Amino acid sequence: EIVLTQSPVTLSLSPGERATLSCRASQSIDIRYLAWYQQKPGQAPRLLIYGAFMRASGIADRFSGRASGIPDRFVAGESGTDFTLTIDRLEPEDFALYHCQYYDGSHLCTFGQGTKLDI
Amino acid sequence: QVQLVQSGAELKKPGASVKLSCTASGYTFTNYYIHWVRQAPGHGLEWMGMINPTGVSIVYAQNFQGRVALTVDTSTDTAYMEVTSLRTEDTAIYYCARVRRFIPPWFDPWGQGTLVTVSS
Repeated sequence: EIVLTQSPVTLSLSPGERATLSCRASQSIDIRYLAWYQQKPGQAPRLLIYGAFMRASGIADRFSGRASGIPDRFVAGESGTDFTLTIDRLEPEDFALYHCQYYDGSHLCTFGQGTKLDI
Repeated sequence: QVQLVQSGAELKKPGASVKLSCTASGYTFTNYYIHWVRQAPGHGLEWMGMINPTGVSIVYAQNFQGRVALTVDTSTDTAYMEVTSLRTEDTAIYYCARVRRFIPPWFDPWGQGTLVTVSS
């Protein structure tokens, strides 16, 4: 079973600052299957990043995803355990709950416990 | 635009069953999977299972096998999830999501969610 651990649980920052959110997998995973979602209170999750570093349609370029030690391009078999979501120049609307997710495209899907980004 | 619209809130007693719906619009229903995810109060997201609307495959998360049934009606572009033997700990918001079939996969968009409250 793959477990995703997000840190920190809560991150308190101010508008204009940079946020760095971490997601660590319990074992090495194919980076193509790692995604990030944003969830605001009372709303459904919204896709931000898929394939570890690809921004979803309509997502500001202030949001970026990385897999530690791996360049931002797909190479067959690239895998890792440490993933980061970075949000530059925080806007008031960025303060929300962020989830990382591993989904292998068939029968295995798991989420991290979430990181709350607080003002 | 692409959207998933879910059925309204439900209040059920322990031991009862509930059947939730998720109606898709704005895209070809059979070209994407539908997944179900729930979120209990104050908790993270928990994956429940997925269905290929062509009917070729259904996968249930281990925690829900035997208690959850996923179906689709392609004539109305609607997916359904029935949960049986409800317990108080099943109180949660239940989401459906459209999921890309190819690599890399993604969940987008999500339905607005259905609150299911299980209480005696």
